[in-house]
Amino acid sequence: AQSVTQLGSHVSVSEGALVLLRCNYSSSVPPYLFWYVQYPNQGLQLLLKYTTGATLVKGINGFEAEFKKSETSFHLTKPSAHMSDAAEYFCAVSDNRGGSARQLTFGSGTQLTVLP
Amino acid sequence: DGGITQSPKYLFRKEGQNVTLSCEQNLNHDAMYWYRQDPGQGLRLIYYSQIVNDFQKGDIAEGYSVSREKKESFPLTVTSAQKNPTAFYLCASSPQGRGNIQYFGAGTRLSVL
Repeated sequence: AQSVTQLGSHVSVSEGALVLLRCNYSSSVPPYLFWYVQYPNQGLQLLLKYTTGATLVKGINGFEAEFKKSETSFHLTKPSAHMSDAAEYFCAVSDNRGGSARQLTFGSGTQLTVLP
Repeated sequence: DGGITQSPKYLFRKEGQNVTLSCEQNLNHDAMYWYRQDPGQGLRLIYYSQIVNDFQKGDIAEGYSVSREKKESFPLTVTSAQKNPTAFYLCASSPQGRGNIQYFGAGTRLSVL
């Protein structure tokens, strides 16, 4: 069984400040980890993913995340927030098996507000 | 442009009525999924399909039904047995052998009249 915990349902930062969104996971097998972003009334867009290899993963729009196995964490960061970053962010986990269909387990989401 | 198209964007259901949400993809993906999103709860898997004429229940399948007659299409029916259907419904698809990498449509918001 897998689970994801996102600490902080709402996070506010000032424009230009560091963005840090926290994600901890539980998995009995080596995980694949994902961050998605959702703008109001839209679908989810993949920001970045960790599968294997380098534990620091870079994604779109200047975001990055680091897989820390010892801490079972996959926190999302961005050095300098932009107003356009305001959205809801979801962390997700799946197992590392291949195959045509795999279940993603999502966290409950973090709403990011960027203050001018 | 390749992508996933969900329709309608907004849908209203009357008491005791079945409604069907459409999901079409032209990405040539094998697998397709339906998720339900409620405020503060993230996404929960309703049904998924790996190939045509095959589908599996997810975590919250009760009150829902699906079909997969064509590779491109995976409609979801919300039946009258689903007592709390008000939610945002998202369809996704993934390419062969890469089921973890899912691409999402823009969603359908279902409300009860």
